[in-house]
Amino acid sequence: GAVVSQHPSWVICKSGTSVKIECRSLDFQATTMFWYRQFPKQSLMLMATSNEGSKATYEQGVEKDKFLINHASLTLSTLTVTSAHPEDSSFYICSARGGDNEQFFGPGTRLTVL
Amino acid sequence: QKEVEQDPGPLSVPEGAIVSLNCTYSNSAFQYFMWYRQYSRKGPELLMYTYSSGNKEDGRFTAQVDKSSKYISLFIRDSQPSDSATYLCAMSETGGFKTIFGAGTRLFVKA
Repeated sequence: GAVVSQHPSWVICKSGTSVKIECRSLDFQATTMFWYRQFPKQSLMLMATSNEGSKATYEQGVEKDKFLINHASLTLSTLTVTSAHPEDSSFYICSARGGDNEQFFGPGTRLTVL
Repeated sequence: QKEVEQDPGPLSVPEGAIVSLNCTYSNSAFQYFMWYRQYSRKGPELLMYTYSSGNKEDGRFTAQVDKSSKYISLFIRDSQPSDSATYLCAMSETGGFKTIFGAGTRLFVKA
């Protein structure tokens, strides 16, 4: 299957700082990228969907000013958690979809905000 | 009613057993059906991908789609302890913007 990378794989930061997470599709062009959040033993929660070159579409209840998404190219999307707080600590996973509707996930980023 | 229903389990089976995982859905427009495996603290891994109805086999895994019943299944033959993970079903419409995921079934295969 296609490969999606995420960086960093884990990050610890102080409350009030911003954290950027990168998501790259390594061997295909992703027409759409998705960002999910997952709490322990719970399913994936879709945060936002982005298409290259256009603004992200956020799910209800997700603050777009707090979770900034940039889909700069067909292979790169970034999620920036601004002014992170302990309640933002979670497992963030991106996924990328090509032209045939198959959706591939990155390995995830574990964020811990102290 | 959720668009996709999946029993969260947990499901515990002995090594070597045949495992059956299922999802039901309500949206008749779904055409693409996927099964993902997720190990703890890892991103989901695409296991099976099928379009419309029918069966698809890959090694020990068989995916079945019955669109008339709005029911999909994943069978795992000769289950191994390494199959212990959470299995998520997912589906989307042709040209659909989103993929809809089930809640995931936690599977434990005991040695």
